[in-house]
Amino acid sequence: GESVGLHLPTLSVQEGDNSIINCAYSNSASDYFIWYKQESGKGPQFIIDIRSNMDKRQGQRVTVLLNKTVKHLSLQIAATQPGDSAVYFCAENFVYGNQFYFGTGTSLTVIP
Amino acid sequence: GAVVSQHPSRVICKSGTSVKIECRSLDFQATTMFWYRQFPKQSLMLMATSNEGSKATYEQGVEKDKFLINHASLTLSTLTVTSAHPEDSSFYICSAISPSGQETQYFGPGTRLLVL
Repeated sequence: GESVGLHLPTLSVQEGDNSIINCAYSNSASDYFIWYKQESGKGPQFIIDIRSNMDKRQGQRVTVLLNKTVKHLSLQIAATQPGDSAVYFCAENFVYGNQFYFGTGTSLTVIP
Repeated sequence: GAVVSQHPSRVICKSGTSVKIECRSLDFQATTMFWYRQFPKQSLMLMATSNEGSKATYEQGVEKDKFLINHASLTLSTLTVTSAHPEDSSFYICSAISPSGQETQYFGPGTRLLVL
């Protein structure tokens, strides 16, 4: 359940396009997932969450999709803006604990 | 919303000294806080779970005598890096579980530690 500390994958998108960020989680017993956004030198900010009894949840300009069969999570950002440029992490919570374990993260760069 | 603060935001210390980092929940009580460590361009790694009034629970591979955690009140947890060495230089982030009934964690702004 520990996060993998390797270099960050990167994604570049044009302003106004939609972004899709993917995450593979490790534990089939995880029942709660959160996407966080982290800007340089700051702590993570909550974006959206989803429980394992759902496969889709929508927020403002963001949608999270959960595929439990393949242990995959995605974050879709509509009409990406320069302010969306940051590193995005998914975090999983195991059903029998309150610890969260973070995925590798993806660095999103929005090109004006 | 739930606000978590950390102090200091940046600290530079000499090798061999100890450094204390504070994590406070400003507008709610947090029985559980978490401490993470993050190296540049890497993910957050959970170090330990801090429980108010009891001993912290450390993740595998994290030295509890090296990283002392104290959760003396419902709004304050401290992490002390003892006998710090250059390899301890990192970004340390704390979080607390929101009291809203969900398990959402709210993060502090982080503390940048540089050990010379």
